[in-house]
Amino acid sequence: AQKITQTQPGMFVQEKEAVTLDCTYDTSDPSYGLFWYKQPSSGEMIFLIYQGSYDQQNATEGRYSLNFQKARKSANLVISASQLGDSAMYFCAMREGGGNKLVFGAGTILRVKS
Amino acid sequence: DAGITQSPRHKVTETGTPVTLRCHQTENHRYMYWYRQDPGHGLRLIHYSYGVKDTDKGEVSDGYSVSRSKTEDFLLTLESATSSQTSVYFCATFGLQGSEAFFGQGTRLTVV
Repeated sequence: AQKITQTQPGMFVQEKEAVTLDCTYDTSDPSYGLFWYKQPSSGEMIFLIYQGSYDQQNATEGRYSLNFQKARKSANLVISASQLGDSAMYFCAMREGGGNKLVFGAGTILRVKS
Repeated sequence: DAGITQSPRHKVTETGTPVTLRCHQTENHRYMYWYRQDPGHGLRLIHYSYGVKDTDKGEVSDGYSVSRSKTEDFLLTLESATSSQTSVYFCATFGLQGSEAFFGQGTRLTVV
């Protein structure tokens, strides 16, 4: 069964510094996709970044990058130059290529300090 | 923005009453999902659909049923609401070749 683990319930980072949010996953399907979402205090789910299991390069979207280590089954989100507006809950998710489920981790609360 | 609409947005209901939440999409996405969000648990999958009349259970399906009679609508029913089903419910959709799941705004359900 597919599983997503986010081991950091909460993180603090100083404004303008980089931060890494951890995500590990477990699947036996060689084809899968990994996602990161941001949920600010207003509650909406905001898509950040996607990584396919066959993608050769780590995904990047502006200040977000995904540190994809396939052998270690990790898909950590790196946020560079943190901003106060980055304070939010962050969720990692996975969807297996051979299945239909989209499952999420428990999330990490990030607080950016000024 | 993707056209994913949840209704109602807020609901207070009494224990033992049936409740139906609706998710409506205008994207013609094949896959639709219902999640509940509770502190410390993230988003937990309740049920999902991979086509009209094709549904399956997620990890927390007890006490919930779903129906999908047409592509655009995915209904979540609490047959007899309990206080443990007080939660925020999210609907999401996913296209056939997509690399992004689109979310509705969420429904805050309180069972008293």
